[in-house]
Amino acid sequence: SYVLTQPPSMSVAPGQTARITCGGNDIGSKSVHWFQQKPGQAPMLVVYDDSDRPSGITERFSGSNSGNTATLTIRGVEAEDEADYYCQVWDSSPAHAVFGGGTKVTVL
Amino acid sequence: VQLVQSGAEVKKPGSSVKVSCKTSGGTFTNYGFTWVRQAPGQGLEWVGGIIPIVNATNCAQKFRGRVTITADEFTSTSYMELTSLTSEDTAVYYCARVNGGSSLFDHWGQGTLVTVSS
Repeated sequence: SYVLTQPPSMSVAPGQTARITCGGNDIGSKSVHWFQQKPGQAPMLVVYDDSDRPSGITERFSGSNSGNTATLTIRGVEAEDEADYYCQVWDSSPAHAVFGGGTKVTVL
Repeated sequence: VQLVQSGAEVKKPGSSVKVSCKTSGGTFTNYGFTWVRQAPGQGLEWVGGIIPIVNATNCAQKFRGRVTITADEFTSTSYMELTSLTSEDTAVYYCARVNGGSSLFDHWGQGTLVTVSS
């Protein structure tokens, strides 16, 4: 089955840029979606189709996807960005959703 | 759009649980609905989903034979039933709306904690 690999954790200082990677075999051929989850809350979609943002999501969040790696970038990190982030794709035969293991982002 | 799930459950090993997810806002049959679970301290795991307008369902292979996902368009409610529970099924179960050609999980329920304990 398809596997998505994320770093378990990362730390970033306020105002800096966080880049969260999501590795998968030829992931560039798939649409990647990213979710933010804060403690005790449901996940929230922050980037979809590799690089689009849902209404209401700050422009500080952006995404890219090529080759074997998709990346969620958070520019000008703020304390409120501290959360777990998950990438997700759809795999086929039959269709099923796959999540990465999640990355815990800590704002220093 | 709101998805409101049923309350927490405590179940014995070997029993079953049925969690509901009532949707308000939007036309129920225009969307699919999916179920995702999260064990304590762990990541997200896809359970399965349903497209109510065609009554088509699918689920992750590990749940095949144990999970049933249904939908009632008259009450705009999706249901997930999981049988033969073990302690490894202890988790928060989330429903989410599935939207658009990219099948986005664009709105989520608040989650339902299912605890399996003897």
